[in-house]
Amino acid sequence: SQTIHQWPATLVQPVGSPLSLECTVEGTSNPNLYWYRQAAGRGLQLLFYSVGIGQISSEVPQNLSASRPQDRQFILSSKKLLLSDSGFYLCAWSPDPRENEQFFGPGTRLTVL
Amino acid sequence: AQTVTQSQPEMSVQEAETVTLSCTYDTSESNYYLFWYKQPPSRQMILVIRQEAYKQQNATENRFSVNFQKAAKSFSLKISDSQLGDTAMYFCAASSGGSNYKLTFGKGTLLTVNP
Repeated sequence: SQTIHQWPATLVQPVGSPLSLECTVEGTSNPNLYWYRQAAGRGLQLLFYSVGIGQISSEVPQNLSASRPQDRQFILSSKKLLLSDSGFYLCAWSPDPRENEQFFGPGTRLTVL
Repeated sequence: AQTVTQSQPEMSVQEAETVTLSCTYDTSESNYYLFWYKQPPSRQMILVIRQEAYKQQNATENRFSVNFQKAAKSFSLKISDSQLGDTAMYFCAASSGGSNYKLTFGKGTLLTVNP
């Protein structure tokens, strides 16, 4: 069966520090991968998605970037965090781009102080 | 572009009763898929149920069922025999399939099941 992992689960970082969040999927190959951000009590905002290694599409121009160095690994990064980067970050994968049914990881709670 | 609207920010229901969450959507696609996701206090997003637009039969998963009205572009979720563990934020989502790799989410409905 397929599983999706995210780490760390929680993170507290000072403003201006770098960020690296990692997401990996097991039990499948060539998945579509997604990064979302969710502010407290709000809906999901799609940040990036990837249909293959090295292929990244950005939905919202901002302080973040994403990379996919391996088929089942998706990384969200920032060189300098802003207060507004605080939130809950969710990684998701989809086995079938035709249907786009997405399965989510447990998430990372990021607090920027 | 697709849009998904959930008009009920919050709802509450008594344990063992039935509740219906509303969702409307707008799409120009003929082939699309609809989903309901549940996000409990742990914030893990869980797929509850899915509906393929070309199937007229309403999807059912145990106590969860949908009322899919294609002409009205409505996709409501019915939860029967509500349980305390059903307390969560519920998101409706739509996918147009094909080369569009994105899900469009509604803003969510916070459901509270009271004992």
